[in-house]
Amino acid sequence: QKEVEQNSGPLSVPEGAIASLNCTYSDRGSQSFFWYRQYSGKSPELIMFIYSNGDKEDGRFTAQLNKASQYVSLLIRDSQPSDSATYLCAVMAAGGTSYGKLTFGQGTILTVHP
Amino acid sequence: NAGVTQTPKFQVLKTGQSMTLQCAQDMNHNSMYWYRQDPGMGLRLIYYSASEGTTDKGEVPNGYNVSRLNKREFSLRLESAAPSQTSVYFCASTEGGRGGAIYFGEGSWLTVV
Repeated sequence: QKEVEQNSGPLSVPEGAIASLNCTYSDRGSQSFFWYRQYSGKSPELIMFIYSNGDKEDGRFTAQLNKASQYVSLLIRDSQPSDSATYLCAVMAAGGTSYGKLTFGQGTILTVHP
Repeated sequence: NAGVTQTPKFQVLKTGQSMTLQCAQDMNHNSMYWYRQDPGMGLRLIYYSASEGTTDKGEVPNGYNVSRLNKREFSLRLESAAPSQTSVYFCASTEGGRGGAIYFGEGSWLTVV
């Protein structure tokens, strides 16, 4: 089992729709969870992070964390063509021998069509 | 405000040559990382340094070595480059702890022929 897995995609949604991106992780002790966006040929840029169960909203983006299910998701409301990119989920280990280890999922390609 | 600086940005190597990718951050971060990114593979962790003086293997450490020279600098060395190491390499850093944002360098495009 991979440490961090994302829904395989690619995901295509119409402009104005809600895009839903999902991520599961295997290390139950993980402490911090990140969503990054990456445009082709560019470095990843942080969208948001979450470390407590529940929802965290920032503009059109909402991150949801469920530690019991080891699941984190990102919702993008009112999707725009400029949101078309690869979305990366990342998980930070909490402690023990993996303290500080930051693992990424394989990414989900999102296309928002006009 | 430089953030995370990687050098070189582009490099072509012949099989068997060695080289070092340099990474420096000016944010006084504790933790630093090296990733490689191949098409469809996301970011795969090569090595990381949770704090100055420590380094640990990630998912794909074979063929690489690292040095955490000081708190600012974390270098990645390819001792004998192979075509399978053709990739884009990213360095990243974070303060550490819960919720600390992770900052990335602009990437180093490496081709081994």
